[in-house]
Amino acid sequence: EVQLLESGGGLVQPGGSLRLSCATSGFPFSRYAMSWVRQAPGKGLEWVSGTTGNGGSTYYADSVRGRFTISKDHSKNTLFLQMNNLRAEDTAVYYCARGNSYLEYWGQGSLVTVSA
Amino acid sequence: DIQMTQSPSSLSASEGDRVTITCRAGQSISNYLNWYQQIPGKAPRLLIYGASTLQSGVPSRFSGSGSGTDFTLTISSLEPEDSAIYYCQQSYSMPLLTFGGGTKVEIK
Repeated sequence: EVQLLESGGGLVQPGGSLRLSCATSGFPFSRYAMSWVRQAPGKGLEWVSGTTGNGGSTYYADSVRGRFTISKDHSKNTLFLQMNNLRAEDTAVYYCARGNSYLEYWGQGSLVTVSA
Repeated sequence: DIQMTQSPSSLSASEGDRVTITCRAGQSISNYLNWYQQIPGKAPRLLIYGASTLQSGVPSRFSGSGSGTDFTLTISSLEPEDSAIYYCQQSYSMPLLTFGGGTKVEIK
């Protein structure tokens, strides 16, 4: 059974940093591209970042480029999102998902709140 | 960025009704169009990919059609558990993905 489990969310001050983790199981992690998608409170879905199966190529939405970094640890079957210089508008539930075309499996989400 | 526009933004229909949601792309995206269902408080669920291919385990009352710029998601006979928000998403410019604004479906 494919499982994705995010962790690492919480309350952070503007300008602060946070690292989200997405622990995966049930599939060959190194063979699959992965993505992060976020959803601000009461709003729609926004793609944030993606990476290829081997983690060698990474992609970002304009809104986070230069502040967020996506990475994969194949030894731990875990996807990461390092978020720096956080802004109030980054407040959202962050989902990890398998794929970079259609997103077949999703985690349950991790809430990030950026507030003073 | 490829803009995705959904209509209507919300609708209310009765159990057993046929429901159609439209998604329009800002440029031709061939059939690189996917649909998701999100029940409030839950993660999105993939329903259809490649404009018309039903994801495994999704009830056959859901169907998708279209190509180019205009796409539709149809629920042939609305069930109470279909009350949710539906999103389209283009993957033509993958891995840079874009979602539509969502359509909220309520049961009368």
